[in-house]
Amino acid sequence: DAKTTQPPSMDCAEGRAANLPCNHSTISGNEYVYWYRQIHSQGPQYIIHGLKNNETNEMASLIITEDRKSSTLILPHATLRDTAVYYCIVSPDNYGQNFVFGPGTRLSVLP
Amino acid sequence: DAGVTQSPTHLIKTRGQHVTLRCSPISGHKSVSWYQQVLGQGPQFIFQYYEKEERGRGNFPDRFSARQFPNYSSELNVNALLLGDSALYLCASSRTGTGNYGYTFGSGTRLTVV
Repeated sequence: DAKTTQPPSMDCAEGRAANLPCNHSTISGNEYVYWYRQIHSQGPQYIIHGLKNNETNEMASLIITEDRKSSTLILPHATLRDTAVYYCIVSPDNYGQNFVFGPGTRLSVLP
Repeated sequence: DAGVTQSPTHLIKTRGQHVTLRCSPISGHKSVSWYQQVLGQGPQFIFQYYEKEERGRGNFPDRFSARQFPNYSSELNVNALLLGDSALYLCASSRTGTGNYGYTFGSGTRLTVV
């Protein structure tokens, strides 16, 4: 079973920030938080990952709470092309460690 | 650079048949993982190979097998196909076999069993 809980769906207005929450209250000390997204009929696309500190890249920002029990993925200026299913995954960074995907959050960016 | 390439893109098979799916990782990536994604669900892990050795296996029956070749490409084989094997099969590659650099997924092979 997935170790994360995400809302099944969210809407966001185009041009606004999209804030996608993820609860991972049972996360272990050696587990990273990964975010992927899947646009219809394509493979999942890596967005960002982090361990403790907040992270930012060209796609998004990841805010992890101090107790590491939850995180938020922020898409600063959502576009229609950001409409996708977003998956939050916790996983240790070990060889052979697989990703356990939950159902994710279906984000709809509205014009 | 070419991404992860999978072939074929679509496939229709009959119950009881065998199928082989192929994956070429990104150049320089030594790890390949296979996932099954049933419609409406998240991907489920099947296998991971790193440097031609199996490093991880998900909860799938023995009808599913895989191997990795010296050039790091990989095959997923499924025997005695069932209707429930109909799914999108995804291949993901990584440089090190861990997630620290992020896994790159291919677009998948859509398998339909009739």
